[in-house]
Amino acid sequence: AQKVTQAQTEISVVEKEDVTLDCVYETRDTTYYLFWYKQPPSGELVFLIRRNSFDEQNEISGRYSWNFQKSTSSFNFTITASQVVDSAVYFCALSARGDMRFGAGTRLTVKP
Amino acid sequence: DTGVSQDPRHKITKRGQNVTFRCDPISEHNRLYWYRQTLGQGPEFLTYFQNEAQLEKSRLLSDRFSAERPKGSFSTLEIQRTEQGDSAMYLCASSSRTSGGNSYEQYFGPGTRLTVT
Repeated sequence: AQKVTQAQTEISVVEKEDVTLDCVYETRDTTYYLFWYKQPPSGELVFLIRRNSFDEQNEISGRYSWNFQKSTSSFNFTITASQVVDSAVYFCALSARGDMRFGAGTRLTVKP
Repeated sequence: DTGVSQDPRHKITKRGQNVTFRCDPISEHNRLYWYRQTLGQGPEFLTYFQNEAQLEKSRLLSDRFSAERPKGSFSTLEIQRTEQGDSAMYLCASSSRTSGGNSYEQYFGPGTRLTVT
């Protein structure tokens, strides 16, 4: 069975604060892919990143960084120096075959 | 390339009526997926196609739901005898898959919001 848990339902920060969104996953597959998506108030899901299970290198893209640790089955997402435009619901997802399992999402509110 | 498109964007129907949604994927993508999202939840997988073949269906997809992708391009999702519990956002996504079997990221359309009254 595959499962993605995002324990943080809502997070509120003040602009310029750093924030980390947690993601824990469960799968019996040895080959799998992890994703983060952003869903802004407009509603359309926006792809942010994909990692495969054999690549545990952390990745940084501008203000975004991702920490993948197989030992703890976690794939956490950090936004540095948050901005109001970062306000959205963020989903972590897992795919081992064709389908994709999403977590329940974390609603991030960045206040000016 | 304009991304994944879905039609209609909104649909209001009365309970018991049939509805059909259409999804046009990104042109070079051979995989197409349908999801359902309710308020405050993440998208739930319904089914997916590789070219015209429907490879997997979730148990969420009851007998009242049917999806097709007849020519391996656009897809339709039909709900027969709609119920109030079918009210949700129906999302379509597409991706490419290499012959090596890697799973690539899915790109989502804007969704069709269904309201059953």
